[in-house]
Order: sequence, then C-alpha cells, then structure tokens
Amino acid sequence: AQSVSQHNHHVILSEAASLELGCNYSYGGTVNLFWYVQYPGQHLQLLLKYFSGDPLVKGIKGFEAEFIKSKFSFNLRKPSVQWSDTAEYFCAVNAGRDSNYQLIWGAGTKLIIKP
Amino acid sequence: DAGVTQSPTHLIKTRGQQVTLRCSPKSGHDTVSWYQQALGQGPQFIFQYYEEEERQRGNFPDRFSGHQFPNYSSELNVNALLLGDSALYLCASSVGRTGGAYEQYFGPGTRLTVT
Repeated sequence: AQSVSQHNHHVILSEAASLELGCNYSYGGTVNLFWYVQYPGQHLQLLLKYFSGDPLVKGIKGFEAEFIKSKFSFNLRKPSVQWSDTAEYFCAVNAGRDSNYQLIWGAGTKLIIKP
Repeated sequence: DAGVTQSPTHLIKTRGQQVTLRCSPKSGHDTVSWYQQALGQGPQFIFQYYEEEERQRGNFPDRFSGHQFPNYSSELNVNALLLGDSALYLCASSVGRTGGAYEQYFGPGTRLTVT
C-alpha cells in the first residue's frame, strides 16, 4: 500500500533559521505531490504542488520543494523562517493514474518558530 | 466568494447512533472529497463524489456512506458509531477532471466526539 512518511513530527526553530522538512513516499510510478499548511485556527491550504516538469517548485510565502525521484522524496524548504510560519505542515501524494483521485497524507510536522 | 463550508462545527454522539455531516463546496467546484483526521495524524481519504456518484473510496467500512446533491453539496453519513470514529471530518472541494492532479480546498471540519 502507498504511504507517506514525514520524519519530523515537531520542529522548533528560531526566526531567520533555515528550514527543511522531509517527506518520503512509497510508490514507484508517476506521482502528483503536494504540501499543505494549516496555520493555527485556520483551514488546510495548499502551499505548493508538483505535477511534472522542473523538479524544483516554488510556492507561497517563500517556500519551495524539490522532487527527487530516485529518493522518492519531496522535501520542503525555506531559507529564512518567520514567526508567522508557525503551523502544521502536511505532505500528500497522489499516484498519478487517471482513475486515482485519492490523496495519501503524511502525519504532519508541527513547526514552532521562536521569535 | 464563499469557500468550503461544513456543518455542524462540533457534534457529540453516543455509541451506536448515526450521524450526518454536511458540506458545501467552493463556488465553481463540482467534486467533493471527505477525509477523517484523527488526533495527531494526517487526513485519511474516505471517498470522493463527482456527478452525484461515489467515484473512489478509501479503506473505510460500509458504515460510512455519502451523497452528493445536484447543487454539488454533499453529506457524509456514519452509522452504528464507534468510539474510534471520534475525529475531525474534513470536506474538500475541487474541479472534476480525470486523474489526481488537482488542488483541493478544505473546509474547517466537523469535530465528532463519540461517547
């Protein structure tokens, strides 16, 4: 069965530190990849997505992610975090078959930025 | 432009009872997906409705059923509630198309507590 692993459940950083959140998935075929974010008291919202093409994708608020097919990874990065980045981050994967609409989610990473 | 709305916000039920949760998709969206999110975990896909039909189902028992109306709104029904059904139930809407390469917009969720 397909699965998504987010290895860090809690991350605490100081403002201006660099961020990298890991995401690995288990599926050997074509995939569509997503990072969603949930700020405190808000809905889940899309941060960025990868369907095809350039494996380095840029999202909102200065976030980017790199798809490395050989490592089955889609890690999220931000060069310099801000206090407002405190949130929970979820990686999600869709196996890119035409008849598959299901998103498989990681358990999430809670990020706390100390001011 | 109203986003995805869900009702009720919170619900407390007793084991063995039945519950109905409701979702209105974002304007212009015709597809609704339902997810269960247990505490400390990522969302788990229950099913997706498109053109008033269940298009795909995750690994959930038949106690979980749904419906989509001609105006694209949707209901999730859970029969014979178990303590383990306590969770946040999320509704997400998107634009129907083949494949899984789409962005989903999430509602605030319904917090179900089964006692």
